[in-house]
Amino acid sequence: GDSVTQMEGPVTLSEEAFLTINCTYTATGYPSLFWYVQYPGEGLQLLLKATKADDKGSNKGFEATYRKETTSFHLEKGSVQVSDSAVYFCALSDPGTALIFGKGTTLSVSS
Amino acid sequence: DGGITQSPKYLFRKEGQNVTLSCEQNLNHDAMYWYRQDPGQGLRLIYYSQIVNDFQKGDIAEGYSVSREKKESFPLTVTSAQKNPTAFYLCASSMGGPSNQPQHFGDGTRLSIL
Repeated sequence: GDSVTQMEGPVTLSEEAFLTINCTYTATGYPSLFWYVQYPGEGLQLLLKATKADDKGSNKGFEATYRKETTSFHLEKGSVQVSDSAVYFCALSDPGTALIFGKGTTLSVSS
Repeated sequence: DGGITQSPKYLFRKEGQNVTLSCEQNLNHDAMYWYRQDPGQGLRLIYYSQIVNDFQKGDIAEGYSVSREKKESFPLTVTSAQKNPTAFYLCASSMGGPSNQPQHFGDGTRLSIL
């Protein structure tokens, strides 16, 4: 079945460092791909999405490109801030199915 | 402002007791979902509903029940048959069916056993 694999955390960075969180997927069809962010004690918020191969989703300085050839959707940000500290979830949705989430990656940014 | 309201924020259950978690949305979304979040496990789908009076089991439906009598409301009951109910429960909704549609989440209910 479909699945999402994220890099293990936690990821600890200094402010203004470059961020990459790896995400790869397995899917039978042509899924849409998402990144969600969860701040402490809150629900998830959609960060960005891509619905077809080579699409780039972007929001708040975060970017991710849908790479069909490598089945990947890595999250990147050029310069992280303390306020980016959160748990990040990669997810996919195949037509007719509900979202499938990765296990989440905790990011901690220090000043 | 439109959004999803989950209540209560914290809930405690005694052994053998059923408890109901509330989820209300005013986004006029057709589809609603319940997820369970455990540390290091990501989110797992319990139930979802695409229209009123219809719902489907997710990956971990055993020990849970839902109803969808109104478009705005999708309550989740954690029954006594759920032997390990301690978790963070998240409700979500989306405009259409589950595929391709971003889901909007509530702030969650944390359920613990007394």
